[in-house]
Amino acid sequence: EPEVTQTPSHQVTQMGQEVILRCVPISNHLYFYWYRQILGQKVEFLVSFYNNEISEKSEIFDDQFSVERPDGSNFTLKIRSTKLEDSAMYFCASKGTPKRGNQPQHFGDGTRLSIL
Amino acid sequence: AQKITQTQPGMFVQEKEAVTLDCTYDTSDPSYGLFWYKQPSSGEMIFLIYQGSYDQQNATEGRYSLNFQKARKSANLVISASQLGDSAMYFCAMKAPLNRDDKIIFGKGTRLHILP
Repeated sequence: EPEVTQTPSHQVTQMGQEVILRCVPISNHLYFYWYRQILGQKVEFLVSFYNNEISEKSEIFDDQFSVERPDGSNFTLKIRSTKLEDSAMYFCASKGTPKRGNQPQHFGDGTRLSIL
Repeated sequence: AQKITQTQPGMFVQEKEAVTLDCTYDTSDPSYGLFWYKQPSSGEMIFLIYQGSYDQQNATEGRYSLNFQKARKSANLVISASQLGDSAMYFCAMKAPLNRDDKIIFGKGTRLHILP
């Protein structure tokens, strides 16, 4: 069964450094998402992306964050200058057909980001 | 405002027993979808089951069923014949309105422990 893949599984970065989290969504999917989960807390929406542009973003997704689909397969989340509070599990998700709202978002296994 | 409430932070259930995980929601949109995801200790998010607000019947997927009570705004997950591998965190989630392809909001989760 096709799946969303995320790399790396664990990223350790010094505070203030830039980090790029990578995702390969399911190949025929059109909608892409990033969520994060701070340890022990609920999953929070960051951003949704469709047709090469952001369709919605949360308050968390400030100017330090950006997303990109540089080619036909990758979907990346960049944090320009990481802060300690960015430490979390970051999930990429994708969804298929546009017309059916009941399509579930399929999640990757997540990237655990640790900021030192 | 949209909200998902899971009131059981943790549950312990004997293997082979049925278990009900509670979820209540709040939305003013008449069209919405409810999801349950499972998060094992390894961290990935696994889609389990979906219920649409206009669906006439309760959703079922193998051992999972969703007890949807629209008037009460509840969408409890029922796992029949629980197995040790069911031990995980379970998240109830909602997407509203259905015709927009944006975020899912999650509850805080219930940690389920299946006892041998």
